[in-house]
Amino acid sequence: AQKVTQAQTEISVVEKEDVTLDCVYETRDTTYYLFWYKQPPSGELVFLIRRNSFDEQNEISGRYSWNFQKSTSSFNFTITASQVVDSAVYFCALTPPFSGGYNKLIFGAGTRLAVHP
Amino acid sequence: DAGITQSPRYKITETGRQVTLMCHQTWSHSYMFWYRQDLGHGLRLIYYSAAADITDKGEVPDGYVVSRSKTENFPLTLESATRSQTSVYFCASSEPLAGGSYEQYFGPGTRLTVT
Repeated sequence: AQKVTQAQTEISVVEKEDVTLDCVYETRDTTYYLFWYKQPPSGELVFLIRRNSFDEQNEISGRYSWNFQKSTSSFNFTITASQVVDSAVYFCALTPPFSGGYNKLIFGAGTRLAVHP
Repeated sequence: DAGITQSPRYKITETGRQVTLMCHQTWSHSYMFWYRQDLGHGLRLIYYSAAADITDKGEVPDGYVVSRSKTENFPLTLESATRSQTSVYFCASSEPLAGGSYEQYFGPGTRLTVT
């Protein structure tokens, strides 16, 4: 079975703190893709990153970084020096493109991040 | 404007009524999806489509019907709305590329309330 677990329901930090959002996934596929999406208070879903299962290099984009560890089936997301604009719900998602078919996305329940001034 | 649009953005309806949520995309993406978002569940797939006239069930299809006569449109119909279908509905589209890019792009959502 495919599953994505985001154990942190809500996180509250003060501006400029670093924060890590955890994502653990389950799949029997050897080829899969992992994603992070951001849902700000306005409600739309914004694509942040895609990672395929063969690429375990960490990625950094400005204040955002992602740590993919196949050994622990985790794909964690860190925001450095958080800002109020980072307040949102963040979703981790998994696509097993071959066994799942039609590149269906399997979402975690989301982590609500609140960044206070 | 290019992109993916949903209409209506907000809808209140009564139990038992038929409701259709519209989704339109201008990218000519092959794949389209309908999700519902409920607290504690993230987004759950209702139906999806790989091309015009090809649709299939997702995780929570009961009570919903879809059609896809044109690539750009993917309407979702609640045949007889129930209170449990009160939710935010998101439409998405994607186009798998040769390099294996599978990200989905989402519409703004439709907030549906069934009274």
